[in-house]
Amino acid sequence: GAVVSQHPSRVICKSGTSVKIECRSLDFQATTMFWYRQFPKQSLMLMATSNEGSKATYEQGVEKDKFLINHASLTLSTLTVTSAHPEDSSFYICSAMGRLFTEAFFGQGTRLTVV
Amino acid sequence: KQEVTQIPAALSVPEGENLVLNCSFTDSAIYNLQWFRQDPGKGLTSLLLIQSSQREQTSGRLNASLDKSSGRSTLYIAASQPGDSATYLCAKGSTLGRLYFGRGTQLTVWP
Repeated sequence: GAVVSQHPSRVICKSGTSVKIECRSLDFQATTMFWYRQFPKQSLMLMATSNEGSKATYEQGVEKDKFLINHASLTLSTLTVTSAHPEDSSFYICSAMGRLFTEAFFGQGTRLTVV
Repeated sequence: KQEVTQIPAALSVPEGENLVLNCSFTDSAIYNLQWFRQDPGKGLTSLLLIQSSQREQTSGRLNASLDKSSGRSTLYIAASQPGDSATYLCAKGSTLGRLYFGRGTQLTVWP
């Protein structure tokens, strides 16, 4: 399968600061990337869909001004959690699809802890 | 609203048993159905992908079926092993590649 790399795998930040998570497709051009969030003992919830060169589409209930998504190239999408609070502590994971793909491939995920 | 339900939430069995994990979903408009494995604190490992035009897929000891009319999928694990212990997630795929996940079945296989 295609390879998607997510960085960092773990991050701890102070409340009120911003943190950026990167999602890269290593061996294909990702026309679409997806961002998910998973709270402890909960399922993965789709946060937003981003297409290269256009604004992300956010799922209902996800604050677009808090979770900034940039998909400026065909191999990189970033999620920035702005003014992070302890309740933002979660597991964030991305997936990416190429133009002719029938499925998306997942990164390794990022464990965010806000203290 | 997309809803995916997995039953049971947890399952503990002795090694060697054959298992069936269940997944049901609302909205019959489905692009594909995917089963994943998630180990504690880790990302996702894709196990099987069933396109909407297919009825089942097999990989080794795993077999997944899809019944769109009833909105159900099952994952069958044959001859379970302790290494199969993990959380198994079912996800319904939409046309645009979005996945809607169930809460998972936490499987423990003891020797």
